[in-house]
Amino acid sequence: KQEVTQIPAALSVPEGENLVLNCSFTDSAIYNLQWFRQDPGKGLTSLLLIQSSQREQTSGRLNASLDKSSGRSTLYIAASQPGDSATYLCAVRFSNDYKLSFGAGTTVTVRA
Amino acid sequence: AAGVIQSPRHLIKEKRETATLKCYPIPRHDTVYWYQQGPGQDPQFLISFYEKMQSDKGSIPDRFSAQQFSDYHSELNMSSLELGDSALYFCASSRGQGVNEQYFGPGTRLTVT
Repeated sequence: KQEVTQIPAALSVPEGENLVLNCSFTDSAIYNLQWFRQDPGKGLTSLLLIQSSQREQTSGRLNASLDKSSGRSTLYIAASQPGDSATYLCAVRFSNDYKLSFGAGTTVTVRA
Repeated sequence: AAGVIQSPRHLIKEKRETATLKCYPIPRHDTVYWYQQGPGQDPQFLISFYEKMQSDKGSIPDRFSAQQFSDYHSELNMSSLELGDSALYFCASSRGQGVNEQYFGPGTRLTVT
């Protein structure tokens, strides 16, 4: 079964610290991987999309890397701010599939 | 830029009632996906359509049905509602089914009482 795992489930850091969020997936045959942000009870905001041929994507303070061979992606958020507090979801589109398979998310709290 | 539109944004129904959720994809997007996110859970894929034909099916109950219309909007029909159907329902759209990004709508929050 193709699965997506995010560890840890929750993370609390002081403001200014860099955040490192991990995502692992069981099958290296993927189309792409997306990172989303979700605030409590709200919708999904797409942060970054990495195609299978790419190694990383950057947007502002966000950087996501992809290592297909090891089935891992990492989302880095530099110089965290209290406004970064949210749940971050990783979603993978496996090559034999059209849907996105989501991880359970990492809930981040940035303390002022 | 135009985004995915979902209506209604909030819906309250009683058990055994019927609900219809609507999704309007981004212009020129021909593929629509439906996901269900229960409280404290990650989104789970329900069903998708490409060029008005069902393209994939996930863990969608038999009480639910969906279709994509000629203008590419999609509707999710839910009958005999149960308390466990209370969730956030997301629609996403993309151009084609390949490597293109899925863009998500704001979701419809369904509460079954």
